Amino acid sequence: AQSVTQLDSQVPVFEEAPVELRCNYSSSVSVYLFWYVQYPNQGLQLLLKYLSGSTLVKGINGFEAEFNKSQTSFHLRKPSVHISDTAEYFCAVSALDSNYQLIWGAGTKLIIKP
Amino acid sequence: DAGVTQSPTHLIKTRGQQVTLRCSPKSGHDTVSWYQQALGQGPQFIFQYYEEEERQRGNFPDRFSGHQFPNYSSELNVNALLLGDSALYLCASSLDRGESYNEQFFGPGTRLTVL
Repeated sequence: AQSVTQLDSQVPVFEEAPVELRCNYSSSVSVYLFWYVQYPNQGLQLLLKYLSGSTLVKGINGFEAEFNKSQTSFHLRKPSVHISDTAEYFCAVSALDSNYQLIWGAGTKLIIKP
Repeated sequence: DAGVTQSPTHLIKTRGQQVTLRCSPKSGHDTVSWYQQALGQGPQFIFQYYEEEERQRGNFPDRFSGHQFPNYSSELNVNALLLGDSALYLCASSLDRGESYNEQFFGPGTRLTVL
C-alpha cells in the first residue's frame, strides 16, 4: 500500500530565506506526485504536479519540486519566502495500485518569521 | 468560470443527528470525490462518484453515503453523527479521461462541528 511521509510538521523560516519542505513516498509502481497549499480556513490549491518528463517541476508562487525516483522523494523548494507563503503544505501521491486516488501526507506548516 | 462550490460553509450538529453536505463541480467536470480532513491532518478519501454511481470508496463506515445527480452535483450524507465526525469536508471535481490520473480541483470545504 502507498503511504506519504512529510518529515516535518512545522518549518519556521525567516522572510526572504530559502525553504525546503520534505516529502517521501512508498509505492512499488509508477506514481504521480503533487503539492497542494492550504491557506487558513480555505480549501486546497494545487501548487505543482509531476506526471512525467522532466524531474524538476515548476509551480505557482515561485515554488518548485524535484522528483527523485531512487530516493522516492518529491521535496518542495522556494529560494526566497514571503510572509504570504504562511500556510500548510500537503504532499500527495496517486498511482495505479490505489486506483489513482490521492494518498496524502499529514502536512507541513510553513511559518514565516519577520 | 465558477470553480467547485460547496454548501453550507459551516454547520453545527449534535451527536446522533444526520447531515447533508452539497457540492457543485467545476464546469465541464463529471466526477466528484469527497474527503474528510480532521484538524491537523491531511485529507482522507471518503468516496468518488461518476455517472451517478459510487465508483470507489475509502475506509469509512456505511454511515457515510452519497449521491450524484444528473447535472454532476453531489451530496454527502452522514447519519448518526459522532463527535469524531467533526472535520472539514472537502469536495473535489475532475474530468474522467480513462484509466489514469484525472486532476482534481477542490472546493473551499464545509466545516462540520458535532457537539
